[in-house]
Amino acid sequence: DAGITQSPRHKVTETGTPVTLRCHQTENHRYMYWYRQDPGHGLRLIHYSYGVKDTDKGEVSDGYSVSRSKTEDFLLTLESATSSQTSVYFCAISDRGRGETQYFGPGTRLLVL
Amino acid sequence: GESVGLHLPTLSVQEGDNSIINCAYSNSASDYFIWYKQESGKGPQFIIDIRSNMDKRQGQRVTVLLNKTVKHLSLQIAATQPGDSAVYFCAENIAGGSNYKLTFGKGTLLTVNP
Repeated sequence: DAGITQSPRHKVTETGTPVTLRCHQTENHRYMYWYRQDPGHGLRLIHYSYGVKDTDKGEVSDGYSVSRSKTEDFLLTLESATSSQTSVYFCAISDRGRGETQYFGPGTRLLVL
Repeated sequence: GESVGLHLPTLSVQEGDNSIINCAYSNSASDYFIWYKQESGKGPQFIIDIRSNMDKRQGQRVTVLLNKTVKHLSLQIAATQPGDSAVYFCAENIAGGSNYKLTFGKGTLLTVNP
């Protein structure tokens, strides 16, 4: 998984609770991404980062926030989890941005009850 | 949890046959394309990429063909093996300002029968 780890790998939580997912990379890549994957949909971009403290929204960013305080870590927070956020979440990294392959982590499976 | 492979187009082949997986992309301005393989319970894995100035690119047992006229991409897998069973999806680079974004297809489930 190209030096990418995600934690936790599995989580069950209740509606209304905050949840933070962590992505950690050892590749020193500049770009980091958070996606969600649901049956019937392709991977959908939630947020991405193009450098430390530089982030931007993706197509499904409502209800999510991110932070990147150092190159290797990119955190995704669900401020108040809802059942519609039950999904598999993937982190990805890339090196130079445009026209570059993204490499994915192993994923976090989140269930919101 | 529900598998990402449900609700997808499927392709079933015999071991040793060649497989062809197709993808129609949406944006004529896209200039970079990637094929990924995703096994059950794992993250997507890079297979091969191609830029829009090329029509064909070959890797180990895989070939990607790009037809920009009809906005079509295909992945050919030679001598398909049981370990090739997975969901395969394409991704295209659609420029978004100065930062890089990919748009992903929903995928095709490939099943290889021994």
